[in-house]
Amino acid sequence: AQSVTQLDSHVSVSEGTPVLLRCNYSSSYSPSLFWYVQHPNKGLQLLLKYTSAATLVKGINGFEAEFKKSETSFHLTKPSAHMSDAAEYFCVVSDNFGNEKLTFGTGTRLTIIP
Amino acid sequence: NAGVTQTPKFRVLKTGQSMTLLCAQDMNHEYMYWYRQDPGMGLRLIHYSVGEGTTAKGEVPDGYNVSRLKKQNFLLGLESAAPSQTSVYFCASSPSGRNNEQFFGPGTRLTVL
Repeated sequence: AQSVTQLDSHVSVSEGTPVLLRCNYSSSYSPSLFWYVQHPNKGLQLLLKYTSAATLVKGINGFEAEFKKSETSFHLTKPSAHMSDAAEYFCVVSDNFGNEKLTFGTGTRLTIIP
Repeated sequence: NAGVTQTPKFRVLKTGQSMTLLCAQDMNHEYMYWYRQDPGMGLRLIHYSVGEGTTAKGEVPDGYNVSRLKKQNFLLGLESAAPSQTSVYFCASSPSGRNNEQFFGPGTRLTVL
């Protein structure tokens, strides 16, 4: 069984300051992990994914995430927030064992303060 | 490429009515998925398909049926709508299952009165 927990339902940061969105996962096998972003009234877009290669994954728009097996975490970071980063972010896990399904976290709403 | 498109964008139904949501993709993807998104619950998988002519149940399949008669289309049906099916529905597709990015449509907002 697989699950994912996003530790904050809402994060607010000032423009130009760092962003940290936290995600912990549980998986019976070596997981694949994803971060998706959803802007208001839009579909989801992939930010980045981890699939057992490098543990530090770089994505689009300056985001990156680090896979830490010992902590079962996959936190999303960005050095400097931009107003356009305001959106809902979803951490997603797939257990890679004949399972085509993704399990989504409940989401973190990121607000950027001008 | 249009990517993944969904029809309609909005719909209001009365309890007991039926409707079909259409998802179309032009990327020649094998896998297609239907999700529902409810406040505070993330996305939950309703049904999915691993190829033309195949369908399988996801996490919350009750009250829904699907068909994949053509590779590019995946239909989601509600035979007798209930207020609990008020939600935003997303369709997605991917080249295959494992490790592949899923590409999402813009969503359909359904309200059942």
